[in-house]
Amino acid sequence: DTAVSQTPKYLVTQMGNDKSIKCEQNLGHDTMYWYKQDSKKFLKIMFSYNNKELIINETVPNRFSPKSPDKAHLNLHINSLELGDSAVYFCASSQDPGRQETQYFGPGTRLLVL
Amino acid sequence: GESVGLHLPTLSVQEGDNSIINCAYSNSASDYFIWYKQESGKGPQFIIDIRSNMDKRQGQRVTVLLNKTVKHLSLQIAATQPGDSAVYFCAENSGYSTLTFGKGTMLLVSP
Repeated sequence: DTAVSQTPKYLVTQMGNDKSIKCEQNLGHDTMYWYKQDSKKFLKIMFSYNNKELIINETVPNRFSPKSPDKAHLNLHINSLELGDSAVYFCASSQDPGRQETQYFGPGTRLLVL
Repeated sequence: GESVGLHLPTLSVQEGDNSIINCAYSNSASDYFIWYKQESGKGPQFIIDIRSNMDKRQGQRVTVLLNKTVKHLSLQIAATQPGDSAVYFCAENSGYSTLTFGKGTMLLVSP
């Protein structure tokens, strides 16, 4: 009965590879997000999707491409991985994209680029 | 306070003490605030929220105080337990669908 789930939990890969992280929420929410948490624990929004439509795209390299096949899923594909991409990536969801909406987070995907 | 190098601001307390974690937010237009708890190896977990038309909100063992004049938020945890040990983040709703997170404070509770 996990609310927001992500796979894989750990991902170790070589520089230059392409990888994907998957996220699913069973909360019936309309909005999903990707966040990046760096080694100093700083959390920053990357993308936000509402009902499969992109609504926020922060300053993220275009090597990162989110894809939402339906409103319960938001996947993150990363091309040409770089050392600096090593971080923990969190998916989150909320009922609506508006203000004053609580966001619920997944368990994270720990990406290590060698 | 500000984090230094790789180290988060840390609050160390004894079990049973009350804990107060502080947060300064940046945007005076923010109207919604959330406290999250992040345990090691897990995602941020919602604790309590407060809207800008309130200055205090209480939950079970937790209280959030909001001072809009000085843009300050605090989380009070009563009778702190070892299971409360985690990193705590404040987050402000600074725009449509956007949460901006603070730097985090590590709470260490010793038995």
